[in-house]
Amino acid sequence: SQQGEEDPQALSIQEGENATMNCSYKTSINNLQWYRQNSGRGLVHLILIRSNEREKHSGRLRVTLDTSKKSSSLLITASRAADTASYFCATEIITGNQFYFGTGTSLTVIP
Amino acid sequence: NAGVMQNPRHLVRRRGQEARLRCSPMKGHSHVYWYRQLPEEGLKFMVYLQKENIIDESGMPKERFSAEFPKEGPSILRIQQVVRGDSAAYFCASSVGATNTEAFFGQGTRLTVV
Repeated sequence: SQQGEEDPQALSIQEGENATMNCSYKTSINNLQWYRQNSGRGLVHLILIRSNEREKHSGRLRVTLDTSKKSSSLLITASRAADTASYFCATEIITGNQFYFGTGTSLTVIP
Repeated sequence: NAGVMQNPRHLVRRRGQEARLRCSPMKGHSHVYWYRQLPEEGLKFMVYLQKENIIDESGMPKERFSAEFPKEGPSILRIQQVVRGDSAAYFCASSVGATNTEAFFGQGTRLTVV
């Protein structure tokens, strides 16, 4: 399977703490994208990181990409209760135009 | 600039009926992707279309499912003779280009087969 895999599957932290989620994939990619999905809702695009990039920031989000290890991490700093959601990584593989999603990390931020 | 619009948001069908799910991509986007999300699972790729062309339908079941993206109008995902196992959330995404561009998702259509 070319699907990405996130870990941990579930993460529970206190408000104000940092949350780190990881994503591993199997084949060479053009880019990797992180999405957030609130319960029963659609997906919200967070960040796209290209294969030639190593780190990107957006507000409280920091994404890293290590193509040699075929892995990415999403760091949410100073978490808030509103960050409670499922987070998915999606990989755009080189030989195709579709995105492959992992099964997601369910993040719970406790107020 | 409206986002990706999917309708209906909720759809209930009896077994054997047909389900039609619509997706209007963002303005200027000519690439559309359909995904299915089963309860408590990630998203599974179904089909990738450009205007009037199916580029990749490797994730779509061979029977009962079809998709189109006509020159004018929304993309349609059609499920014939629905069964209970088709109950899921179906998400559409669009992008402006084929590679290395962000894909933006709609709110999804939740199909329930009773």
